[in-house]
Amino acid sequence: NAGVTQTPKFRVLKTGQSMTLLCAQDMNHEYMYWYRQDPGMGLRLIHYSVGEGTTAKGEVPDGYNVSRLKKQNFLLGLESAAPSQTSVYFCASSYLYRSADSGNTIYFGEGSWLTVV
Amino acid sequence: AQKVTQAQTEISVVEKEDVTLDCVYETRDTTYYLFWYKQPPSGELVFLIRRNSFDEQNEISGRYSWNFQKSTSSFNFTITASQVVDSAVYFCALFSPRSQGNLIFGKGTKLSVKP
Repeated sequence: NAGVTQTPKFRVLKTGQSMTLLCAQDMNHEYMYWYRQDPGMGLRLIHYSVGEGTTAKGEVPDGYNVSRLKKQNFLLGLESAAPSQTSVYFCASSYLYRSADSGNTIYFGEGSWLTVV
Repeated sequence: AQKVTQAQTEISVVEKEDVTLDCVYETRDTTYYLFWYKQPPSGELVFLIRRNSFDEQNEISGRYSWNFQKSTSSFNFTITASQVVDSAVYFCALFSPRSQGNLIFGKGTKLSVKP
């Protein structure tokens, strides 16, 4: 019963380094998302994907790239990390909504704490 | 544009008090979904409720209740007889299927329940 798994959970980067956050879901969901959470700002959408091979920009996409080569995986890349990207990153997935649905439809990973020094 | 406003940044109550967390949303879509999530100090996001736009029935789950009013675009959350374990940040969120990935969160309300 893995759900949504994010790796790594913690990482410290130096300014200018690159890294990739991996999100994996085992629920066969179509939609996947990457959010960042900063104090007092709530969760802000970075990029999202509505299906394998598709990606789209969210509210705060600058400095990040994403790929969805496989339906179950959604990768978030930082090409040249900056201190402003110090944040907690959450991945989420969901299925296509149906009006008769009830209950939870968006599943979150446990978060990845990234510090850029 | 879609927007979720949680005007209360922080609330502090004493145990056993009732507390209401406000959520006001904006959307032009007729079909949408509203969520509440709890984020305890451990950091994970815990799903509490989802409400569809065409279902205005209020809901009660134990000490938790939700009041959905389309006329005022509000989806407020009340905790009755609060407990220390209720201390967390609570997020309200809006999703519109027509907007696909555009899940919008409010900035959250930090609730502190003191013994």
